[in-house]
Amino acid sequence: RKEVEQDPGPFNVPEGATVAFNCTYSNSASQSFFWYRQDCRKEPKLLMSVYSSGNEDGRFTAQLNRASQYISLLIRDSKLSDSATYLCVVNLRYGGSQGNLIFGKGTKLSVKP
Amino acid sequence: EPEVTQTPSHQVTQMGQEVILRCVPISNHLYFYWYRQILGQKVEFLVSFYNNEISEKSEIFDDQFSVERPDGSNFTLKIRSTKLEDSAMYFCASSEQGAGYTFGSGTRLTVV
Repeated sequence: RKEVEQDPGPFNVPEGATVAFNCTYSNSASQSFFWYRQDCRKEPKLLMSVYSSGNEDGRFTAQLNRASQYISLLIRDSKLSDSATYLCVVNLRYGGSQGNLIFGKGTKLSVKP
Repeated sequence: EPEVTQTPSHQVTQMGQEVILRCVPISNHLYFYWYRQILGQKVEFLVSFYNNEISEKSEIFDDQFSVERPDGSNFTLKIRSTKLEDSAMYFCASSEQGAGYTFGSGTRLTVV
């Protein structure tokens, strides 16, 4: 069973569209949750942490449902520069600064003019 | 902004040869990691290092792999006898207590 599962996409959307990504994780002991962004052949970069209460950072909104073991990311008013692969990541440790990160395979987003 | 530096950016090696991948973590970080990503696959954890010893390692990190912090700044990953399936992007990362990870830009290892 995959530890972190994501729809691989690709999601092809026009500029200005709203797009949503979903992710499920298998280990109910997971303590911290993140969305990372990865551009082609580059390193993963932290986009945002995900909290149970839900959190927003500009055009990006993340939600966590611990009961369903489900994480989501919503991107509003998408820009060309949002084109990337979005990685759902969990950690069995709280805070995410220790312990290993468990990555999903990623969802590819392509924003077209 | 502080960054994690990795060298070389690309290394080509013959099967059976030893390689050392180098990383300079962010100076005040205490936790160090190696991850790898085979082309088209997910990022996978290899090993974490804290207080001059391995704190956790994955099944991938077998006897062919070792890590070292030879001085106060460098953090290295050694693969003793490379195999074709070791070809991947290797990412070093570091973190401090209570904060997130910072990844380096990676070393692309090609085993021929």
